[in-house]
Amino acid sequence: EVQLVESGGGLVQPGGSLRLSCAASGFAFSDYWMHWVRQDPGKGLVWVSRISSDGGSTTYADSVRGRFTISRDNAKNTLYLQMNSLRAEDTTVYHCAREAYSSYYFDYWGQGTLVTVSS
Amino acid sequence: QSALTQPASVSGSPGQSITISCTGTSSDVGGYNYVSWYQHHPGKAPKLMIYDVSYRPSGVSNHFSGSKSGNTASLTISGLQAEDEADYYCTSYTSSSTRYVFGTGTKVTVL
Repeated sequence: EVQLVESGGGLVQPGGSLRLSCAASGFAFSDYWMHWVRQDPGKGLVWVSRISSDGGSTTYADSVRGRFTISRDNAKNTLYLQMNSLRAEDTTVYHCAREAYSSYYFDYWGQGTLVTVSS
Repeated sequence: QSALTQPASVSGSPGQSITISCTGTSSDVGGYNYVSWYQHHPGKAPKLMIYDVSYRPSGVSNHFSGSKSGNTASLTISGLQAEDEADYYCTSYTSSSTRYVFGTGTKVTVL
């Protein structure tokens, strides 16, 4: 059974940092592109970042480029999102998602981890 | 990259059919057959309901169906059930560097 389990969320002050993790199981993690998607209040689901199966290619949404870094450890079957210079507007639930192997959609998602940026 | 446009809310009585629209542009919905739909109950993982415009993953009820015409995709829920009450999001492949764009989301209420 495919499982994606996020962790690492919490309360952080503006300007602070947090690292999210997404532990994957039940599939060949190193074969799949992976994404982070967040639920922006009033906007719904918003794509944040993606990483290629080997980690060699990464892309970011304009709103987080230069502040967030996506990475992965295929030996540990884990996806990461390093979040720096956090702002109040980054407060939301962050989901990791697996991109389908042969098309463009997300076939599995995690339940999400809540990040709260507040003083 | 602007979000795809969905109605904020749609409601129906049990057994009725409802349709959720998802409007984009020729750079996303209209240009590719890569529209997908997700059901999201708050606090849970989003669930894939439709992919590649009209295909249902294994295990998804056949009372969910998808279609597309021009720059607008649609999700139809036939025979609405109480458990269908959730938020629904469309997503499309886009020619922009982000590769994906999400819809604004639709809250489905079963009356």
